[in-house]
Amino acid sequence: SQQGEEDPQALSIQEGENATMNCSYKTSINNLQWYRQNSGRGLVHLILIRSNEREKHSGRLRVTLDTSKKSSSLLITASRAADTASYFCATDAVDMRFGAGTRLTVKP
Amino acid sequence: DADVTQTPRNRITKTGKRIMLECSQTKGHDRMYWYRQDPGLGLRLIYYSFDVKDINKGEISDGYSVSRQAQAKFSLSLESAIPNQTALYFCATSDAGTSGSYEQYFGPGTRLTVT
Repeated sequence: SQQGEEDPQALSIQEGENATMNCSYKTSINNLQWYRQNSGRGLVHLILIRSNEREKHSGRLRVTLDTSKKSSSLLITASRAADTASYFCATDAVDMRFGAGTRLTVKP
Repeated sequence: DADVTQTPRNRITKTGKRIMLECSQTKGHDRMYWYRQDPGLGLRLIYYSFDVKDINKGEISDGYSVSRQAQAKFSLSLESAIPNQTALYFCATSDAGTSGSYEQYFGPGTRLTVT
């Protein structure tokens, strides 16, 4: 399985702080994606990073990819209460595999 | 209007009943997927389809079947529902893209309870 595994399982921070979550995977990939899920809702795509990229930014999001370590990290800067959600990484394959996610709580 | 719609949004059914969950999309994507999510867990792939004539099993296809009626429609059936199929079910779509991007677009989910 090329399933991504997120770490930590849960993260609680104060508004304004940065949040970092990590993803590890097992096999070679072409790209890795991060998704957000608000409680009970469908996942929303955040960012995609290709295997030949090391870092990518989108607004307050910064994603890094280390293919030698088979790991990725998602950094959310200056977090807001609205960032409270679960975050999932997904690795590409013929079919996409998702990890169990990191549950982020941002306290106002 | 939502790009990916699922019906019903909520369903309670009894053990042994046959049930169909439907998914429609207006994004024009060729690829469609069905996932289930159990509380506190990630998504597990049930079936996926890369075009109307292509159906593939995912991680957990036992007890499920699918039908791709058209490019825009992908249905998931539980032939004889059992309680451990109680879960949140998501449909998703994507295109292959010339750049190899497989960003998926998710529907709002169907909450299924089997009693």
